[in-house]
Parts: sequence; structure tokens; C-alpha cells
Amino acid sequence: GIQVEQSPPDLILQEGANSTLRCNFSDSVNNLQWFHQNPWGQLINLFYIPSGTKQNGRLSATTVATERYSLLYISSSQTTDSGVYFCAVDRGSTLGRLYFGRGTQLTVWP
Amino acid sequence: ETGVTQSPTHLIKTRGQQVTLRCSSQSGHNTVSWYQQALGQGPQFIFQYYREEENGRGNFPPRFSGLQFPNYSSELNVNALELDDSALYLCASSSDTGYEQYFGPGTRLTVT
Repeated sequence: GIQVEQSPPDLILQEGANSTLRCNFSDSVNNLQWFHQNPWGQLINLFYIPSGTKQNGRLSATTVATERYSLLYISSSQTTDSGVYFCAVDRGSTLGRLYFGRGTQLTVWP
Repeated sequence: ETGVTQSPTHLIKTRGQQVTLRCSSQSGHNTVSWYQQALGQGPQFIFQYYREEENGRGNFPPRFSGLQFPNYSSELNVNALELDDSALYLCASSSDTGYEQYFGPGTRLTVT
């Protein structure tokens, strides 16, 4: 399978700070998704970004497929950003199996 | 709101029992995947169904089985429950034309 490594494992921020989360993967992929898991377990789609750069409000993401990594940027953090952020990848074959990293636990303090 | 629903929200079972978890995919999504998420881990792929046929399976024993129905609903069945089956079970649906997967809210299973 594909190995997915996320860093850092834990991140503690003051409200208003910026942060960068990293995802490294071991093979070429056709699908890369970033998720935010809320305290109730729901995985919320943040970005579908197999390559390139996307922005959505205070969040943006960049994937450099040739170098097998992706970055998630969170600017002006809010307490509601707290939770676990997952990166998941898929080779894009007929079997759409997502391989997940272990996540980054983000805590934002007021 | 992903349009994917799951039931029940949580349940408690005893070791050795059987359980059925249900998922309703987004309308028009013919692919459903099931994942198991243990505490502190990322979700692990169990299996995937496409148009009512199993399309692939992860490293899970045969006592984990599934069904997919024509009305975009699906089931995950687990027989002979073990304590290690305690986890959050997530289903995800995707369309025929894209790779992006959309997850339901999950079912939290506790086996005692």
C-alpha cells in the first residue's frame, strides 16, 4: 500500500496564529484529499487536491505531486479549527481505496 | 453536509454477537466504501462496493461482509464480534466520474 506520513502529530496554537500541516506520501497518486475530523467523528472535506494549489477562505492547500507531498495552510486560526486533520491519498485505480495518515491534532486556544 | 447518512449513531454489543451498520450514499453515487477507525488512528479501508458488487477488500477477515442495494443504501455486517472491533465505522460514497470521497458521520461501535 501507500505510506502516508503527516507532521506534526500535535500542534497547539493561540487564536490568530498561522500554521502549516504537511503530508508526505510514498507513491504517485491521482487523488489527495484533506479532511477535518470534528469531535463527533465526522470527516469534513476540505480539499480535493491531487496537484496544484487551492484556496478556500482562511485555508489553502498545495500539492507537489512530483515530490510527493502536500501542505495545508491555516491562517488566522480560530478555536473552531480545533480537531484532527487528515490527509488521504489514492492511486486512482478502479478501486478507490483511500490511504490515510495518522493525522495532526490541532488545538487552538482563545 | 455531505449527503451521506449512517445509522445508528452509536451502539453497544457483546463479544460474539453480530451487528449490522447502515449507510445511505449520495444520490447518483454508485460507489460506497467502508472504513474502520480505531481510537487515535486514521481510518482503515475495509471494502468497497460498486453497483452492488464487491470491488475490493482491505486486510479484514471474512466475518466483515457487506451489501449494497440499488437505492444507494448499503450495509456492513460483522459477525462474531471481538473486543478489537470497537471503533468508529465510516462509510464514504463517490461518483463514477470522480475520485473524491464523501463521508458519513459514522457509527461508533463498542464491544464489551
